[in-house]
Amino acid sequence: EVQLVESGGDLVQPGGSLRLSCAASGLTVSPYWMAWVRQAPGKGLEWVATVNQDGSATYYVDSVKGRFTISRNGAQNSLYLQMNSLRVEDTAVYYCARQNHSFDHWGQGTLVTVSS
Amino acid sequence: DIVMTQSPDSLAVSLGEKATINCKSSQIVLCNSNSKSSLSWYQQKPGQPPKLLVYWVSTRESGVPDRFSGSGSGTDFTLTISSPQAEDVAVYYCQQYCSPPYTFGQGTKLEIK
Repeated sequence: EVQLVESGGDLVQPGGSLRLSCAASGLTVSPYWMAWVRQAPGKGLEWVATVNQDGSATYYVDSVKGRFTISRNGAQNSLYLQMNSLRVEDTAVYYCARQNHSFDHWGQGTLVTVSS
Repeated sequence: DIVMTQSPDSLAVSLGEKATINCKSSQIVLCNSNSKSSLSWYQQKPGQPPKLLVYWVSTRESGVPDRFSGSGSGTDFTLTISSPQAEDVAVYYCQQYCSPPYTFGQGTKLEIK
């Protein structure tokens, strides 16, 4: 079965850190860019970050620059999002997606809650 | 940043009545050598991740019913559902993937009367 599976979401206090992972199975991701997209409760979709095929280029939405780091491990078919200095407004479901120009495959998402 | 604005915010149609969702970009999203606008449409049902419906403005993703069609050019784009079915109840988003930040529209909620 083709799938992307996210993990690592949790309840964390403001200022804390969290690392999200996304594992691909039955799906080729190494030749493609990969992305994280988030959705705050009851809100729309917001692109967060993208990494190119070999990890040499990364892109971020302004609100997470300097706090989040996207990376990937090609050998393990995995994608990561290191999130530091978390804020209440980072609370959301985080989806990983394969970026084949548009975002053609999505995981089910993992919930990150930032609250004291 | 390219701002994507959808209209309407919500739409209620009868079964079989055509549904039209509009998306306007603040800049042209023509940035690929294939001369096609970098515009896609996604469907998100409650409790599910988004699903790609259409890319390059009008190319349907594999497996998407042909009642879904995309059109447009320049800064104005449209998703048309020719004969909506009950299973099409969802929120629909447009997105530009021309350049980061890869922005989405705010979403249009489709309901069936």
